[in-house]
Amino acid sequence: DQQVKQNSPSLSVQEGRISILNCDYTNSMFDYFLWYKKYPAEGPTFLISISSIKDKNEDGRFTVFLNKSAKHLSLHIVPSQPGDSAVYFCAVTGGFKTIFGAGTRLFVKA
Amino acid sequence: GAGVSQTPSNKVTEKGKYVELRCDPISGHTALYWYRQSLGQGPEFLIYFQGTGAADDSGLPNDRFFAVRPEGSVSTLKIQRTERGDSAVYLCASSPGGLAGSGELFFGEGSRLTVL
Repeated sequence: DQQVKQNSPSLSVQEGRISILNCDYTNSMFDYFLWYKKYPAEGPTFLISISSIKDKNEDGRFTVFLNKSAKHLSLHIVPSQPGDSAVYFCAVTGGFKTIFGAGTRLFVKA
Repeated sequence: GAGVSQTPSNKVTEKGKYVELRCDPISGHTALYWYRQSLGQGPEFLIYFQGTGAADDSGLPNDRFFAVRPEGSVSTLKIQRTERGDSAVYLCASSPGGLAGSGELFFGEGSRLTVL
């Protein structure tokens, strides 16, 4: 059973526009919700997180929104840059374990 | 180095052979995790260590997989009688404390295992 779902395998966006990546989860007991970014041949790197008691967290060009009633998480990147092209993983934590989605590959076209 | 170090970066082996993958976490990080990533998938949890003990090994797929962390620092993931389905990138991550908290894990670059 997939506890974290990223239904879009890929997304293509023009440079300067907004990128919106989406994630759905099934368990309302998760404490933190995170986004990781991964370049080829590298390990995932932490990007931004949000606590279950908040609905928005912003860090520069990156904003994460949490809709607990819908069990939905999204990452907004604005403005998108070619260097943002990577695979983005949604992840959730509860206790000791972090569970990842399958990822969305973002292409930002110059 | 300052980051999580994994060796080897690439390992090609034959079906039925034994394999060891090593992880050297960030100094001072007490929590260590092993994940496995197959093509087109996200990292899949295998095992979590807090100090020397395996606090959660519920993700190990079967008894061919085993991991140790004898001194609370370096960890070794051991795979016996490898099968073609074991081919994946094995990722190690560490974090400063026990509870996942805000969840930031520091990943190594992974060990790519190919079983022929």
